[in-house]
Amino acid sequence: NAGVTQTPKFQVLKTGQSMTLQCAQDMNHEYMSWYRQDPGMGLRLIHYSVGAGITDQGEVPNGYNVSRSTTEDFPLRLLSAAPSQTSVYFCASSRGRGNSPLHFGNGTRLTVT
Amino acid sequence: QQQVKQSPQSLIVQKGGISIINCAYENTAFDYFPWYQQFPGKGPALLIAIRPDVSEKKEGRFTISFNKSAKQFSLHIMDSQPGDSATYFCAASVAPGSARQLTFGSGTQLTVLP
Repeated sequence: NAGVTQTPKFQVLKTGQSMTLQCAQDMNHEYMSWYRQDPGMGLRLIHYSVGAGITDQGEVPNGYNVSRSTTEDFPLRLLSAAPSQTSVYFCASSRGRGNSPLHFGNGTRLTVT
Repeated sequence: QQQVKQSPQSLIVQKGGISIINCAYENTAFDYFPWYQQFPGKGPALLIAIRPDVSEKKEGRFTISFNKSAKQFSLHIMDSQPGDSATYFCAASVAPGSARQLTFGSGTQLTVLP
Protein backbone atom coordinates (compact mmCIF):
# COMPACT_ATOMS: atom_id res chain seq x y z
CA ASN A 1 0.00 0.00 0.00
CA ALA A 2 1.15 3.53 -0.78
CA GLY A 3 -0.41 5.00 2.39
CA VAL A 4 -0.66 8.79 2.22
CA THR A 5 0.79 10.33 -0.94
CA GLN A 6 1.53 14.04 -1.22
CA THR A 7 2.48 15.93 -4.36
CA PRO A 8 4.53 17.88 -5.17
CA LYS A 9 7.48 17.33 -2.81
CA PHE A 10 8.85 20.82 -3.39
CA GLN A 11 7.28 24.02 -4.70
CA VAL A 12 8.38 27.62 -5.06
CA LEU A 13 5.71 30.28 -5.53
CA LYS A 14 5.75 34.01 -5.95
CA THR A 15 3.62 36.14 -3.66
CA GLY A 16 0.05 36.22 -4.94
CA GLN A 17 0.21 33.01 -6.93
CA SER A 18 -2.20 30.19 -6.25
CA MET A 19 -1.65 26.48 -6.12
CA THR A 20 -3.09 23.23 -4.87
CA LEU A 21 -1.24 20.73 -2.71
CA GLN A 22 -2.47 17.24 -3.45
CA CYS A 23 -3.08 14.49 -0.90
CA ALA A 24 -4.38 11.01 -1.54
CA GLN A 25 -4.72 7.98 0.72
CA ASP A 26 -5.49 4.39 -0.20
CA MET A 27 -6.41 3.08 3.26
CA ASN A 28 -10.12 3.99 3.09
CA HIS A 29 -9.65 6.32 6.05
CA GLU A 30 -12.57 8.53 7.01
CA TYR A 31 -10.51 11.25 8.64
CA MET A 32 -8.01 13.42 6.78
CA SER A 33 -6.20 16.55 7.85
CA TRP A 34 -3.58 19.10 6.85
CA TYR A 35 -0.82 20.35 9.15
CA ARG A 36 1.93 22.85 8.65
CA GLN A 37 5.30 22.41 10.33
CA ASP A 38 7.41 25.41 11.19
CA PRO A 39 10.68 25.47 13.18
CA GLY A 40 10.07 25.69 16.91
CA MET A 41 6.30 25.49 16.50
CA GLY A 42 5.63 21.82 15.97
CA LEU A 43 2.73 20.86 13.73
CA ARG A 44 -0.35 23.04 13.59
CA LEU A 45 -3.68 21.89 12.22
CA ILE A 46 -4.95 23.83 9.21
CA HIS A 47 -8.12 22.02 8.12
CA TYR A 48 -9.60 18.59 8.60
CA SER A 49 -12.34 16.37 7.27
CA VAL A 50 -14.28 13.58 8.96
CA GLY A 51 -15.66 12.24 5.69
CA ALA A 52 -16.48 13.04 2.09
CA GLY A 53 -18.34 16.33 1.84
CA ILE A 54 -17.47 17.41 5.40
CA THR A 55 -14.64 19.81 6.25
CA ASP A 56 -13.82 22.06 9.19
CA GLN A 57 -11.21 24.55 10.28
CA GLY A 58 -8.27 23.82 12.52
CA GLU A 59 -5.98 26.13 14.43
CA VAL A 60 -4.53 28.10 11.48
CA PRO A 61 -7.04 28.05 8.59
CA ASN A 62 -6.61 31.57 7.20
CA GLY A 63 -5.35 31.66 3.61
CA TYR A 64 -6.20 28.02 2.92
CA ASN A 65 -9.20 26.25 1.43
CA VAL A 66 -10.05 22.56 1.34
CA SER A 67 -12.68 20.29 -0.12
CA ARG A 68 -13.39 16.56 0.23
CA SER A 69 -15.28 15.23 -2.76
CA THR A 70 -14.03 11.65 -2.36
CA THR A 71 -12.83 9.53 0.56
CA GLU A 72 -9.37 9.22 -1.02
CA ASP A 73 -8.48 12.83 -1.82
CA PHE A 74 -8.11 15.96 0.30
CA PRO A 75 -6.46 18.82 -1.61
CA LEU A 76 -5.27 22.01 0.08
CA ARG A 77 -5.58 25.24 -1.90
CA LEU A 78 -3.62 28.42 -1.43
CA LEU A 79 -5.60 31.14 -3.19
CA SER A 80 -3.03 33.95 -2.92
CA ALA A 81 0.29 32.80 -1.53
CA ALA A 82 2.08 34.92 1.06
CA PRO A 83 5.64 34.60 2.44
CA SER A 84 4.11 33.66 5.82
CA GLN A 85 2.88 30.46 4.17
CA THR A 86 6.44 29.26 3.60
CA SER A 87 6.42 25.98 5.48
CA VAL A 88 6.40 22.21 5.24
CA TYR A 89 2.90 20.88 4.78
CA PHE A 90 1.82 17.44 5.92
CA CYS A 91 -1.33 15.57 5.08
CA ALA A 92 -2.49 12.88 7.49
CA SER A 93 -5.29 10.36 7.66
CA SER A 94 -6.76 7.93 10.16
CA ARG A 95 -9.71 5.63 10.60
CA GLY A 96 -11.13 8.44 12.70
CA ARG A 97 -12.37 6.26 15.52
CA GLY A 98 -11.09 6.22 19.07
CA ASN A 99 -7.34 6.37 19.28
CA SER A 100 -6.61 5.44 15.67
CA PRO A 101 -3.12 6.72 14.84
CA LEU A 102 -2.55 9.43 12.28
CA HIS A 103 -0.70 8.28 9.16
CA PHE A 104 1.32 11.12 7.65
CA GLY A 105 2.54 11.69 4.13
CA ASN A 106 6.13 12.75 3.51
CA GLY A 107 5.31 16.40 3.18
CA THR A 108 5.45 19.25 0.66
CA ARG A 109 8.09 21.91 1.21
CA LEU A 110 6.66 25.22 0.02
CA THR A 111 8.63 28.43 -0.38
CA VAL A 112 6.86 31.70 -1.16
CA THR A 113 9.11 34.50 -2.35
CA GLN B 1 -1.03 29.95 22.54
CA GLN B 2 0.72 26.65 22.93
CA GLN B 3 -1.30 24.15 24.88
CA VAL B 4 1.46 21.53 24.94
CA LYS B 5 4.92 22.70 25.93
CA GLN B 6 7.85 20.45 25.07
CA SER B 7 11.45 20.51 26.25
CA PRO B 8 14.28 20.42 25.52
CA GLN B 9 14.40 21.77 21.98
CA SER B 10 17.46 19.66 21.24
CA LEU B 11 19.17 16.79 23.01
CA ILE B 12 22.51 15.06 22.48
CA VAL B 13 23.05 11.68 24.08
CA GLN B 14 25.82 9.12 23.90
CA LYS B 15 25.05 5.68 22.53
CA GLY B 16 23.68 3.50 25.31
CA GLY B 17 22.49 6.46 27.36
CA ILE B 18 18.97 7.45 28.38
CA SER B 19 17.14 10.14 26.43
CA ILE B 20 14.40 12.02 28.29
CA ILE B 21 11.95 14.43 26.67
CA ASN B 22 9.35 16.26 28.71
CA CYS B 23 5.95 17.73 27.90
CA ALA B 24 3.47 19.73 29.95
CA TYR B 25 -0.11 20.48 29.08
CA GLU B 26 -2.73 22.94 30.23
CA ASN B 27 -6.05 21.53 29.05
CA THR B 28 -7.34 19.08 31.67
CA ALA B 29 -9.77 17.69 29.09
CA PHE B 30 -6.92 16.06 27.16
CA ASP B 31 -7.24 12.32 27.45
CA TYR B 32 -4.89 10.85 24.87
CA PHE B 33 -1.15 11.50 24.73
CA PRO B 34 0.82 10.10 21.78
CA TRP B 35 4.45 10.54 20.84
CA TYR B 36 5.47 10.81 17.21
CA GLN B 37 8.91 10.20 15.71
CA GLN B 38 10.04 12.01 12.57
CA PHE B 39 13.10 11.28 10.45
CA PRO B 40 14.47 13.89 8.01
CA GLY B 41 12.41 14.14 4.84
CA LYS B 42 9.64 11.98 6.25
CA GLY B 43 6.33 12.55 7.93
CA PRO B 44 5.88 11.88 11.66
CA ALA B 45 4.98 8.33 12.67
CA LEU B 46 3.28 7.17 15.85
CA LEU B 47 5.81 5.79 18.33
CA ILE B 48 3.85 5.15 21.53
CA ALA B 49 0.77 6.56 23.25
CA ILE B 50 -0.80 6.63 26.71
CA ARG B 51 -4.17 7.32 28.29
CA PRO B 52 -4.33 9.21 31.62
CA ASP B 53 -5.69 6.22 33.53
CA VAL B 54 -2.19 4.68 33.65
CA SER B 55 1.03 6.20 34.95
CA GLU B 56 3.45 4.38 32.68
CA LYS B 57 3.53 2.52 29.39
CA LYS B 58 6.50 0.65 28.02
CA GLU B 59 7.15 -0.64 24.52
CA GLY B 60 10.62 -2.04 24.06
CA ARG B 61 13.17 0.67 24.81
CA PHE B 62 10.51 3.40 24.81
CA THR B 63 8.57 4.35 27.96
CA ILE B 64 5.98 7.06 28.58
CA SER B 65 5.65 8.30 32.15
CA PHE B 66 2.48 10.22 32.95
CA ASN B 67 1.78 12.47 35.94
CA LYS B 68 -1.85 13.55 35.83
CA SER B 69 -1.72 15.82 38.90
CA ALA B 70 1.26 17.72 37.51
CA LYS B 71 -0.15 17.69 33.97
CA GLN B 72 3.14 16.38 32.65
CA PHE B 73 4.28 13.41 30.62
CA SER B 74 7.65 12.32 29.35
CA LEU B 75 9.30 9.96 26.89
CA HIS B 76 12.25 7.88 28.04
CA ILE B 77 14.44 6.12 25.49
CA MET B 78 16.60 3.52 27.16
CA ASP B 79 19.86 2.31 25.63
CA SER B 80 19.66 5.07 23.01
CA GLN B 81 21.02 4.14 19.58
CA PRO B 82 22.25 6.27 16.65
CA GLY B 83 19.20 5.04 14.74
CA ASP B 84 17.01 6.82 17.30
CA SER B 85 18.34 10.16 16.05
CA ALA B 86 15.20 11.96 14.92
CA THR B 87 12.76 14.67 15.93
CA TYR B 88 10.23 13.67 18.56
CA PHE B 89 6.87 15.34 19.07
CA CYS B 90 4.54 14.91 21.99
CA ALA B 91 0.88 15.54 21.38
CA ALA B 92 -2.45 15.56 23.16
CA SER B 93 -6.10 15.46 22.23
CA VAL B 94 -9.60 15.52 23.59
CA ALA B 95 -11.95 12.66 22.82
CA PRO B 96 -14.82 13.95 20.69
CA GLY B 97 -16.16 10.46 20.13
CA SER B 98 -14.86 10.36 16.60
CA ALA B 99 -11.85 11.89 14.89
CA ARG B 100 -9.16 13.33 17.12
CA GLN B 101 -7.63 16.77 16.72
CA LEU B 102 -4.07 16.48 17.94
CA THR B 103 -2.27 19.43 19.52
CA PHE B 104 1.48 18.97 19.06
CA GLY B 105 4.42 20.15 21.11
CA SER B 106 7.20 22.09 19.43
CA GLY B 107 9.45 19.06 18.93
CA THR B 108 12.81 17.81 20.24
CA GLN B 109 15.69 17.05 17.92
CA LEU B 110 17.52 14.05 19.37
CA THR B 111 21.06 13.20 18.31
CA VAL B 112 22.59 9.96 19.57
CA LEU B 113 26.35 9.93 19.17
CA PRO B 114 28.03 6.62 18.23
